[in-house]
Amino acid sequence: KNEVEQSPQNLTAQEGEFITINCSYSVGISALHWLQQHPGGGIVSLFMLSSGKKKHGRLIATINIQEKHSSLHITASHPRDSAVYICAVSRGGGSQGNLIFGKGTKLSVKP
Amino acid sequence: GAGVSQSPRYKVAKRGQDVALRCDPISGHVSLFWYQQALGQGPEFLTYFQNEAQLDKSGLPSDRFFAERPEGSVSTLKIQRTQQEDSAVYLCASSFGRNTEAFFGQGTRLTVV
Repeated sequence: KNEVEQSPQNLTAQEGEFITINCSYSVGISALHWLQQHPGGGIVSLFMLSSGKKKHGRLIATINIQEKHSSLHITASHPRDSAVYICAVSRGGGSQGNLIFGKGTKLSVKP
Repeated sequence: GAGVSQSPRYKVAKRGQDVALRCDPISGHVSLFWYQQALGQGPEFLTYFQNEAQLDKSGLPSDRFFAERPEGSVSTLKIQRTQQEDSAVYLCASSFGRNTEAFFGQGTRLTVV
C-alpha cells in the first residue's frame, strides 16, 4: 500500500463546478503539501499545511491530522485549472524533509 | 535567480551514454532535493543535500546514479551508462531548510533510446 493515496485518479468537471480531491496518508508527517503540475513537468506549490485550513483565491486546503486526511477544493472551476494535482507529505521525526508523493489526480475542466 | 532552474529541459541519450543534469536552486536555499518522475506516476525521492553535504542518497536506484553539490549551490545529477528504464522527468527542488516550502524546477525530461 502506498504511503500517500489520492482519489480520484482522474476527474472531469464542467466549468463552474465545485471540485474536491482527497488525500490520505499512513505515516507520521510534519507537513502536507498540495502541488500543481501542468503538462511539461513544472510543479508549483499551492499549499503547505500542518493543521486546519488554508485558502488562496478559489483554492481551499484542509487537513485532519487525527484522521490522516486532507482535501483540496476548487470553487468555480475554470478550464485553466486543468492540471495534475499532487499531494505530498514531509515525514515527521528525524527525517530530512524529503517529500513522499501521491500519484496525482488528473483534473480536466471542460468549458 | 527568481526560481529553481534546471537544464537541459529535454535530453535524448543513446543507451550506454553518460548524461549530466544541472539544477540551479534559489539563492540562499540550504536544502536541495532530486526526484525522478516516471510517466503517469508521482515523483519519487532520489537524494537530498543540505548545503554541500549529501545527507540522504537512499533513493538513488543504482550505482550508475551520482549527485553532487560541491559548493552548496548548483547541483548536478549524473547518470552513467544510461538505460531505457532511466527515461523519466528528473525534478529538482530547493527550500530554505528542512520541512519548509519546497520550490520546484521545470524538470529535465530524459529519453533514452
